[in-house]
Amino acid sequence: DAGVIQSPRHEVTEMGQEVTLRCKPISGHDYLFWYRQTMMRGLELLIYFNNNVPIDDSGMPEDRFSAKMPNASFSTLKIQPSEPRDSAVYFCASSLQINTEAFFGQGTRLTVV
Amino acid sequence: KNQVEQSPQSLIILEGKNCTLQCNYTVSPFSNLRWYKQDTGRGPVSLTIMTFSENTKSNGRYTATLDADTKQSSLHITASQLSDSASYICVVSGGTASKLTFGTGTRLQVTL
Repeated sequence: DAGVIQSPRHEVTEMGQEVTLRCKPISGHDYLFWYRQTMMRGLELLIYFNNNVPIDDSGMPEDRFSAKMPNASFSTLKIQPSEPRDSAVYFCASSLQINTEAFFGQGTRLTVV
Repeated sequence: KNQVEQSPQSLIILEGKNCTLQCNYTVSPFSNLRWYKQDTGRGPVSLTIMTFSENTKSNGRYTATLDADTKQSSLHITASQLSDSASYICVVSGGTASKLTFGTGTRLQVTL
């Protein structure tokens, strides 16, 4: 398996535009996590899915953020409209069980200007 | 309030030397504690996961300790290499992923 795959690796967009980040988890992993990392706040869990169902989205900062997992091999994190304070590195991770090792993707570096 | 404090914030050591990174937490209930290594520009990679009953766990030159009574953990790196230069993040799980509490990490630089 190639590991968790995220796209794009880098995204630069203007304030107000819609941004969609994509993630392909490791095959067979039942859990998928979206994280955000900034210098100021470190790593933050945004939302996680179990068997494609969102379980906890309490980390999603506001209604501008939404995440979907239409099938076991694909998830998206959407920001609409984007703002400069959304600039961060967004990581997707997957794991077999809730408390087993989580494997992270390479991340998407988002810059909103 | 659940918190994970890591020290030092940053550290510079010479290649071949040992070092120890600290993690103190106030997370309750406690499920497990994880150490991650994050290279610049890459995602975190798991080094160890320790449960309540585990005191020591090794992964090559990395050895993690856990004292659940004092709520302290350490990550010891033996015979450091240039490739050990990275951020090391301590993460404590309170039972479900939504209860993960992250430390802000220790930035380690290994020099010649």
